[in-house]
Order: sequence, then C-alpha cells, then structure tokens
Amino acid sequence: SQTIHQWPATLVQPVGSPLSLECTVEGTSNPNLYWYRQAAGRGLQLLFYSVGIGQISSEVPQNLSASRPQDRQFILSSKKLLLSDSGFYLCAWSFQGAYNSPLHFGNGTRLTVT
Amino acid sequence: AQKITQTQPGMFVQEKEAVTLDCTYDTSDPSYGLFWYKQPSSGEMIFLIYQGSYDQQNATEGRYSLNFQKARKSANLVISASQLGDSAMYFCAMKGGSYIPTFGRGTSLIVHP
Repeated sequence: SQTIHQWPATLVQPVGSPLSLECTVEGTSNPNLYWYRQAAGRGLQLLFYSVGIGQISSEVPQNLSASRPQDRQFILSSKKLLLSDSGFYLCAWSFQGAYNSPLHFGNGTRLTVT
Repeated sequence: AQKITQTQPGMFVQEKEAVTLDCTYDTSDPSYGLFWYKQPSSGEMIFLIYQGSYDQQNATEGRYSLNFQKARKSANLVISASQLGDSAMYFCAMKGGSYIPTFGRGTSLIVHP
C-alpha cells in the first residue's frame, strides 16, 4: 500500500528566514504530487503540482518554490519567508492521469512566521 | 474551468441523526470524479468517498453515501447515524480532464450529544 510522509509537523520561523518542507511517497511510482496551503479556517489553495521529476507547475505567484528531485520526493522552499506565508501546508499525491484517483494527503505542516 | 460550491459554512446535527452536506459543481469535462474529504481539528485530510461521472449508482462507504444528481450537478454527502467523531470540516472536490483537483470552501459540521 502507499504511504505519504510530510515533515516537520510544526515550524516556527522568523521573517526573512529560509524554508524547506519535504514530502515523500512510498509504494507507488510516478505519482502526481501537490502542495496546498490552508489559511486558518479557510479552504485549500493549490500552490504547486508536479507530474514528473523536474516538472513543476505553479498555480499562484509568490515567494515560494517547489522542486521534485526524485520521483517520489517533493520539496517546498522559500529563500525569505513573509508573515503572509504562515499557514497549514499539505502535501498530497494521486495516481497519474486518472480523474478517478483521489488525492491522499500527508499530515501537514503548521508554519508560523514571526 | 471547474468550480465547486459548498453553500453551508456550518451545520449542526444531533448525535445518531443523519445529515446532508451540500455540494454543487460545474465543469465542461464529460468525464470527471467527485470526492469528499474530512478534516478533523488535527488537520489531516481524510478521503471519504468517490463518485465517477458515469457511475449509475450512488457511492456508499459505510455510513457515508454520496447523493449524485448529474442533471442538477450536485454531489451531496450524506452521513447516517452521526457520531461525535464526525465533527470536522468537510470538503467537496472534483477532478476532470486536467487531473488538477478543485476544492470547495468546506462545511463545518458539529455533532451535538
């Protein structure tokens, strides 16, 4: 069976500091990978998605970036965090090319930028 | 473009009663999937149930069922025999030909004892 790991669970970072959140998937190959952000009490905002190694699509312009250095590894980064980057970040995977494949989420990272 | 609308920001239900959470969608894709997720206060997103656009029968998973009315473009989630642990945010989502999911804004469900 497939599993998704996301870390860290919580993070407190000062404004202007860098960020690196990591997500890995086990038990499947060539998954679609996604990064979402959720502000407190709000819905999900798609930040990035990837259909393969090195293939990243950005949905929202911001100071965040994503990379997929390996098939089942997805990294969310920032060089300099802003206060507005605070939120709950969720990584997810689904099978490739299937509208009937649900997203499976990691447990999320709660980021507070101070 | 895809769109998901959840018009109920909050719902309350008595324990052991059934509750329906509304979801309407809009898409021009002939093939699509509809999903419901549960997000407890701990934050994880839990996949509950799936309905395909060509499925003739409504999907069921234990106490969850999806009331799919294709002509009305609605995909309501029905939770039977509510339990205190059902208190959570519930999100409706869809995927079409682009395989990029679209989520609704969510409905907060509170189950009273």
